[in-house]
Amino acid sequence: QAVVTQEPSLTVSPGGTVTLTCGSSTGAVTSGHYPYWFQQKPGQAPRTLIYDTSVKHSWTPARFSGSLLGGKAALTLSGAQPEDEADYYCLLSYTGARPVFGGGTKLTVL
Amino acid sequence: EVQLVESGGGLVQPGGSLRLSCTASGFTLSSKYMTWVRQAPGKGLEWVSVMHNGGNSYYADSVKGRFTISRDSSKNTLYLQMNSLRVEDTAVYYCASLVLSWGQGTLVTVSS
Repeated sequence: QAVVTQEPSLTVSPGGTVTLTCGSSTGAVTSGHYPYWFQQKPGQAPRTLIYDTSVKHSWTPARFSGSLLGGKAALTLSGAQPEDEADYYCLLSYTGARPVFGGGTKLTVL
Repeated sequence: EVQLVESGGGLVQPGGSLRLSCTASGFTLSSKYMTWVRQAPGKGLEWVSVMHNGGNSYYADSVKGRFTISRDSSKNTLYLQMNSLRVEDTAVYYCASLVLSWGQGTLVTVSS
């Protein structure tokens, strides 16, 4: 089974920009992995922010964007707000294999 | 409004069984890929199973042969039948249409 890698933790200043990445042990992440990004706040269920690399949900704030960057999936937050402090997970799909979640990134806005 | 509500969690002994339910409102469950995801206490998310809109189903290696996903279109409800439960199956179980919505989760505790 593939291993999906995320930064364990990142810190961003209020109003700042940060990029979270999602890599695969099998090689470069492509649009064919249909990358998802999820946000989970303490005590809450996850919610989907981004799917199919860069498609936003209706509730996804405009300051979040998804892309492919340097062989990885990326979630960029531009203009961080205190309410963006949360755990972020990516999910990659694999042809002929089961989808795999990354270990999650704990984002601190400080 | 799109909503998913899980039920059926609880305390069960190792080797026991539970059936989780996930009732959808605001959309037709059978028209979407529906996924079960679990989260052990203090841990990250783990993909468990999916049922495609065409009816095909797939499982994580950790639950294959023990868990069965199914749906009842007349009730707009997704199920996860969990047999031969192990201590390591202890987790909050979420159902989700990953492009649409997540449920609030239901806690399954496997302990003697």
